[in-house]
Amino acid sequence: AQSVTQLGSHVSVSEGALVLLRCNYSSSVPPYLFWYVQYPNQGLQLLLKYTTGATLVKGINGFEAEFKKSETSFHLTKPSAHMSDAAEYFCAVRATSYGKLTFGQGTILTVHP
Amino acid sequence: SAVISQKPSRDICQRGTSLTIQCQVDSQVTMMFWYRQQPGQSLTLIATANQGSEATYESGFVIDKFPISRPNLTFSTLTVSNMSPEDSSIYLCSATPGQTYEQYFGPGTRLTVT
Repeated sequence: AQSVTQLGSHVSVSEGALVLLRCNYSSSVPPYLFWYVQYPNQGLQLLLKYTTGATLVKGINGFEAEFKKSETSFHLTKPSAHMSDAAEYFCAVRATSYGKLTFGQGTILTVHP
Repeated sequence: SAVISQKPSRDICQRGTSLTIQCQVDSQVTMMFWYRQQPGQSLTLIATANQGSEATYESGFVIDKFPISRPNLTFSTLTVSNMSPEDSSIYLCSATPGQTYEQYFGPGTRLTVT
């Protein structure tokens, strides 16, 4: 079975500061890992994914994440926060190519001017 | 990528009634998924719907409460039956089209039960 833990239900940063959202996973098989963003009153938008290959993956809106197998982590980063990044972010894991996703509890990112 | 639409976008329903949510994908997909997002919480998978077979329900969800149809490779419905206020949630449809392994979500249906 797979599980995801997102450390920190709320993260607050200043505009221009580094964004770091933490995600640790548990999986009995090599995982497929995803980050999604949810803006208020909207559905989920895929930010980036890791399947195989390069462990540093780049996504939309300047976000990137690094798969670290030894640490079972997939933390999301962005060098410089923008006000428009304020949203809720979900990390998710999947054991197979096309199976169901298991989500973390989400992290609400607040960006201060 | 894929475009997934849902209808209705929101509804307010009376206790004891049922609501059917429709999900349309702009390409053919093998598996479609229905998730529930309760207020302030993460997403929980209700069931997986394959075309031509019975849906597979997760622990805690039953067919009598959440019947699902999957008549073809682009469409699915989820019915929330005999609703109670505890069913007030956002219900999201999802699918993984093509060979990208990317799972896309519809905009959700915001359900309020009074």
